[in-house]
Amino acid sequence: DVKVTQSSRYLVKRTGEKVFLECVQDMDHENMFWYRQDPGLGLRLIYFSYDVKMKEKGDIPEGYSVSREKKERFSLILESASTNQTSMYLCASSYDRGEQYFGPGTRLTVT
Amino acid sequence: GQNIDQPTEMTATEGAIVQINCTYQTSGFNGLFWYQQHAGEAPTFLSYNVLDGLEEKGRFSSFLSRSKGYSYLLLKELQMKDSASYLCAVEGHGGATNKLIFGTGTLLAVQP
Repeated sequence: DVKVTQSSRYLVKRTGEKVFLECVQDMDHENMFWYRQDPGLGLRLIYFSYDVKMKEKGDIPEGYSVSREKKERFSLILESASTNQTSMYLCASSYDRGEQYFGPGTRLTVT
Repeated sequence: GQNIDQPTEMTATEGAIVQINCTYQTSGFNGLFWYQQHAGEAPTFLSYNVLDGLEEKGRFSSFLSRSKGYSYLLLKELQMKDSASYLCAVEGHGGATNKLIFGTGTLLAVQP
């Protein structure tokens, strides 16, 4: 079975802190994605990557950056956390154009 | 623009059949996915339609009409465990990867 893991289920950070969210997948998938999920807004794509060291902006990249140094790992970075980045963050991976497999999510609260 | 519409909430009775509709307007179309998401959990894949018609998988079926920009997910013999959000997602054109556009989801409550 495909497994996508995320470093934390719950995280509380202060405004202005630098935040790292880590995602690891174990199925050698080329594609990896970061979404945030908010009530009434659904899943929105922040960034995605289709290869090591490759990244593309999604629909809401402002305030975020990403890093993919190894194929299995995709990190989301909040350079200076703000309260409007309080959300559920979901990582996903996929092989070629197939279904996306999601991690359990990280609920981030910025105070 | 890109737009995917689903009803926000639906209620159905255990043992019944429910149909969740999804309409979309996107700049390109490569396929449509349905995901199930229980509260506090990750979305899990249910179905994928790329051609017009009905795809059946056990109690769940999904239908697609590309000319109408319309899909539905049909759940039969509803069980309490089917209470969840159902997400419709369209795969657009372009790029080397399957970038998905998600609807806001339909929260289904199954009552005894």
